[in-house]
Amino acid sequence: EAGVAQSPRYKIIEKRQSVAFWCNPISGHATLYWYQQILGQGPKLLIQFQNNGVVDDSQLPKDRFSAERLKGVDSTLKIQPAKLEDSAVYLCASSLVHRNYFYEKLFFGSGTQLSVL
Amino acid sequence: SQQGEEDPQALSIQEGENATMNCSYKTSINNLQWYRQNSGRGLVHLILIRSNEREKHSGRLRVTLDTSKKSSSLLITASRAADTASYFCATDEPGRRALTFGSGTRLQVQP
Repeated sequence: EAGVAQSPRYKIIEKRQSVAFWCNPISGHATLYWYQQILGQGPKLLIQFQNNGVVDDSQLPKDRFSAERLKGVDSTLKIQPAKLEDSAVYLCASSLVHRNYFYEKLFFGSGTQLSVL
Repeated sequence: SQQGEEDPQALSIQEGENATMNCSYKTSINNLQWYRQNSGRGLVHLILIRSNEREKHSGRLRVTLDTSKKSSSLLITASRAADTASYFCATDEPGRRALTFGSGTRLQVQP
């Protein structure tokens, strides 16, 4: 089966510019996640969608970050304006929904490496 | 905040040796998962252990879970150079539908 697709692979921008990332999950996966991974750390959840509804966005800096998942399939994550501390790898993941909401495994894309200068 | 913390932060061994990584967490969990991340790539799921299980095997991987100590260990037996990667534990807390990842252990297997 095809994996989680992300683009672009790399992005370099200057601070205060805007940037957008795209993710296409595995077909049939209702749940989609965006994680931020700063160098040397583990991934941190930014936002979780189930179909096209937001389940958890408690750690999303909403003054500058936004995300949408129209039609419950692919998703975009936007940063506007970017700050130096936003330099990180942005990972998209997807999973099937378990009827008891106990977590099954996540499938990750290769990520977008963002450098803010 | 990160629920799981791995120990050690970095580990270097020779090919053929066993590698053991530990994960400690703070709250009760439904299950615990381990993931591997090769440099510049996304994470790959290795194994899931539920809170009512104590040990699980998958190929050269052995995972244990001690809910009374809130800790888990991942053992990789007969390591290979291809096992060089970062390893993360991830937990889900009851009532919160999000996986929380630890800070990871960087494993280097010398050929």
